[in-house]
Amino acid sequence: RKEVEQDPGPFNVPEGATVAFNCTYSNSASQSFFWYRQDCRKEPKLLMSVYSSGNEDGRFTAQLNRASQYISLLIRDSKLSDSATYLCVVNIYGQNFVFGPGTRLSVLP
Amino acid sequence: NAGVTQTPKFQVLKTGQSMTLQCAQDMNHNSMYWYRQDPGMGLRLIYYSASEGTTDKGEVPNGYNVSRLNKREFSLRLESAAPSQTSVYFCASSDLGTGVRDTIYFGEGSWLTVV
Repeated sequence: RKEVEQDPGPFNVPEGATVAFNCTYSNSASQSFFWYRQDCRKEPKLLMSVYSSGNEDGRFTAQLNRASQYISLLIRDSKLSDSATYLCVVNIYGQNFVFGPGTRLSVLP
Repeated sequence: NAGVTQTPKFQVLKTGQSMTLQCAQDMNHNSMYWYRQDPGMGLRLIYYSASEGTTDKGEVPNGYNVSRLNKREFSLRLESAAPSQTSVYFCASSDLGTGVRDTIYFGEGSWLTVV
């Protein structure tokens, strides 16, 4: 089993739609959680950290369920500019980052 | 606002040639990394350096060597390039171990083709 798994995608959604991505991780010692965004032929960039209480940044909401070892990202009112690959990332304090394979999102006009 | 800078951005090599990818960060981070990314494979760690003077193998180290020249710089060397090393290479840095909300920052990538 891979350490970090994500919805395989791709997700093709119309503008204005709400879309949710799921991620599971296998190491219960994981302590830090992030969503990164990667545009085509670009480097990954931090979208948001994921906190135990859940957190929101504008149209983006991230949730963490430690008991189920599950992370989610919800995007409301999708924009064309949201089209990208979304990477789930986990980290055990002091150890390396582990990246999921990514879920590609295409927002269609 | 430089962050992580890597060179070259594009390179074409012939099989058997050698080359070095250069990387520098200006965020005073302790940890630096080299990843490769292939279509459908996600990011795979080649080598990392947890601190100046140390380097360790990642998931796919074969065919590569690294040097942590100082705290700022971390280079990746291909001694004898093979077509299987055609990929996009990302250098990254973080302050891993200094807080539970460490994040990792990437350079813009180096596109390498081995023919």
